[in-house]
This record gives sequence, structure tokens and C-alpha cells, in this order.
Amino acid sequence: DAGVTQSPTHLIKTRGQHVTLRCSPISGHKSVSWYQQVLGQGPQFIFQYYEKEERGRGNFPDRFSARQFPNYSSELNVNALLLGDSALYLCASSLGQALGDEQYFGPGTRLTVT
Amino acid sequence: EDQVTQSPEALRLQEGESSSLNCSYTVSGLRGLFWYRQDPGKGPEFLFTLYSAGEEKEKERLKATLTKKESFLHITAPKPEDSATYLCAAGVYNQGGKLIFGQGTELSVKP
Repeated sequence: DAGVTQSPTHLIKTRGQHVTLRCSPISGHKSVSWYQQVLGQGPQFIFQYYEKEERGRGNFPDRFSARQFPNYSSELNVNALLLGDSALYLCASSLGQALGDEQYFGPGTRLTVT
Repeated sequence: EDQVTQSPEALRLQEGESSSLNCSYTVSGLRGLFWYRQDPGKGPEFLFTLYSAGEEKEKERLKATLTKKESFLHITAPKPEDSATYLCAAGVYNQGGKLIFGQGTELSVKP
């Protein structure tokens, strides 16, 4: 079975631009979460989507938005990019939203903002 | 405020030298404590979930344990291929699927 896939692998953008990152969950998984990981730190929660609805949002500005499609894939959008948005963006999928559901991570998208 | 802290930040071991990594958590209501392994430039790889104090889980040279305030990842007779960053994360009641991560412990095992 294929794991969580993310695209693109790497991305270089300029300050002020916007970016769209994509994620396909493990087959059968209905929940997708997005995390930002700055070098040397643990991942920080951005969003969770379950059954196409937002179920959780971390402490990130409104420049960050996301959505989930009927096939459970997801997009993370970031507008008006800042240098501080440079990070590894991780997508994780889980079966559902039930307590204790294990989250499986994709390889991430490395975003560099210049 | 919910918080997860890992120690040490970095650990260097000789092959075969056993040790433990610590994960302390302060959360309003723990629904699960998760351990992940992360290799450089890659996504975290799931290792264990622990749900209640006293629970233990093992996988090869790794054993994870949980108390009411902290979790330990014991590494027995490590090999160079165990070198990675180990992350712990807390899932909290009433916060859906959100995981609160510690900053990680970077483990280096030398032959």
C-alpha cells in the first residue's frame, strides 16, 4: 500500500507570493492534518480536516488556509509569503477522528522563501 | 498551556551502549502519547502509541513506557542505523487530531 504522498518535494518562492501544497492520504484514511516543521524543532500543528470539514486549527495567521476534497486529498495554501514561512510542511493522515487515531506522515514539502 | 519537553536535546552513544530518552508532558487531558523517528529531510515515521500510565510497548531494540507525567524511550544495545531524531507527541482530549510535539532528541550511534 502506498503511504502518504506530498507534492512538490521542494519549492522556492519569493516573499509576497502564494503557494499551494498537495497531499494524498493513505487509502481508506479520511482525516488529513498539516504541520509546519522549522529546522531543529518539532512539528507545529496547522490544520486538521475530516470528511472535508475543518476540525482543528493551530495558532497560525489567516494567510494559511486549507481544504479537503471528496477523495480525501488536501491542499494547504499560504498567501503573502514571509521569510519565516520557510520550513518543511508535513501532511499526516489517519483513519478517522477517533480518540487515539495514529497519524502517518508523508515525506514533506521543503519550502524556501527568498 | 499544553506542553511537551524532550531531553536530552542530543545524545551520542557507542554501538551497544544502552540509554533512555525522556519526554515530559503537561497537558489538560492526555488521550495518547506518540513516539516517532525522523531521519534527516524526511517525514516522521510512527513507532508507538501509549494510552495509559504503566503501559509498555516494544519494537526490536526500542521500548516505550508511560507514567502520569512522562514517557521514556529505552534503546537497548543500539546500532548505527538507530541514529535519527526521536520525537514524542501528546494527543489531547477536546483538541481533535492535534498532536503537540516536543523538540526532539537527536541520537547518534557510533560504531
